Amino acid sequence: SAVISQKPSRDICQRGTSLTIQCQVDSQVTMMFWYRQQPGQSLTLIATANQGSEATYESGFVIDKFPISRPNLTFSTLTVSNMSPEDSSIYLCSVTSGKSTDTQYFGPGTRLTVL
Amino acid sequence: AQSVAQPEDQVNVAEGNPLTVKCTYSVSGNPYLFWYVQYPNRGLQFLLKYITGDNLVKGSYGFEAEFNKSQTSFHLKKPSALVSDSALYFCAVREGGNNRLAFGKGNQVVVIP
Repeated sequence: SAVISQKPSRDICQRGTSLTIQCQVDSQVTMMFWYRQQPGQSLTLIATANQGSEATYESGFVIDKFPISRPNLTFSTLTVSNMSPEDSSIYLCSVTSGKSTDTQYFGPGTRLTVL
Repeated sequence: AQSVAQPEDQVNVAEGNPLTVKCTYSVSGNPYLFWYVQYPNRGLQFLLKYITGDNLVKGSYGFEAEFNKSQTSFHLKKPSALVSDSALYFCAVREGGNNRLAFGKGNQVVVIP
């Protein structure tokens, strides 16, 4: 499976600021996704990152709060804007690749704490 | 909409004993079923999946799962648990042709030495 890295691995931020999380894959992938895992909770899909076009957001998530870019087939960013303590979560990117398009593989996650 | 239920919060098992983590699902079409494991401060690792074919699927680290269509279940099993199996286990489902994965709440597995 593809090797997925995320930067930063963790961060502590002040409310009202924004943080951009990067997801880098070592090979071209078909699809990229962003998930949120709130403390003690399961994973919730934020959006599908579409290469060269606007992301597709799930219900409850909006572009102004979580802008996403995907300039090519190996890289995507998720920005958490105007943060509040409720945004404290682990943010994970996942990918499907050409060899196994039915399975999502996950990055190590970014642990965000908002004070 | 697809959904997953993992009824137990925590599963405690003695080392060497069989381990079972339960999962039931709901989809309107054909289910694609997955199990993932999350170790502390780590991302999710893929364990195994059922797409089609044999109802019993085998995956990483000696885990297996059985797809039961009539009971809409996909329980994860391991014949002999190890202390290193202690982790958080997630069941997930999506409908064929739909990339949207729905996750269960997760089960904490504690293997007691």
